[in-house]
Amino acid sequence: EVQLVESGGDLVQPGGSLRLSCAASGFTFSTYTMHWVRQAPGKGLEFVSVISNDGLTTYYARSVRGRFTVSRDNSKSTLYLQMDSLGIEDRAVYYCGRATFTGGMNYYFGVDVWGQGTTVTVSS
Amino acid sequence: DIQMTQSPSSLSASVGDRVTITCRASQNINKYLNWYKQKVGKAPKLLIYTASSSHIGVPSRFSGSGSGTDFTLTISSLEPDDFATYYCQQTYSAPLSFGGGTKVEIK
Repeated sequence: EVQLVESGGDLVQPGGSLRLSCAASGFTFSTYTMHWVRQAPGKGLEFVSVISNDGLTTYYARSVRGRFTVSRDNSKSTLYLQMDSLGIEDRAVYYCGRATFTGGMNYYFGVDVWGQGTTVTVSS
Repeated sequence: DIQMTQSPSSLSASVGDRVTITCRASQNINKYLNWYKQKVGKAPKLLIYTASSSHIGVPSRFSGSGSGTDFTLTISSLEPDDFATYYCQQTYSAPLSFGGGTKVEIK
């Protein structure tokens, strides 16, 4: 079964750091572009970051650029999101997602497999 | 960055109704527009990619159209499971972006 399982969400103080993980199974992880998308409470979906299958190309939302870093370990079939300088505006459910088709930096066809989400709360 | 505007933000409809949701991009995005359905507390599900291609397993009552800046998602005959929030997403260029969502409620 194709599956993504996020972990690492927690309560953190403003200015703090957190690392999210997304464990993939049931498919050849190293051949897919991967996404992070978040959703603040009661709000819509927001693109966070996308990373190519080899990890060499990354893009970020303007709101997280310079504070968040996406990476992947293809030997462990795991995607990561390092989040630094967290603010109240980063409070959200964070989803990882798999690109619909394989190949390079292939984000063009959307996200067809999603994790269940992990919750990040930023509060003092 | 490309801005995506969905309309309406919410609508009320009955089972069996035909429903149309619109998404407009702030610049030409060719055909790189995707549609998702999301229920409360659940992850989104891909319905349509590249404007008009149906994802595997998506019921035929869902269809998409458009190119350039204007796109439409149509549900031909609303079923009970279709009451949810729908999002468009442009994947023409990074940073990728979503529309604000359209909540389809029961009339």
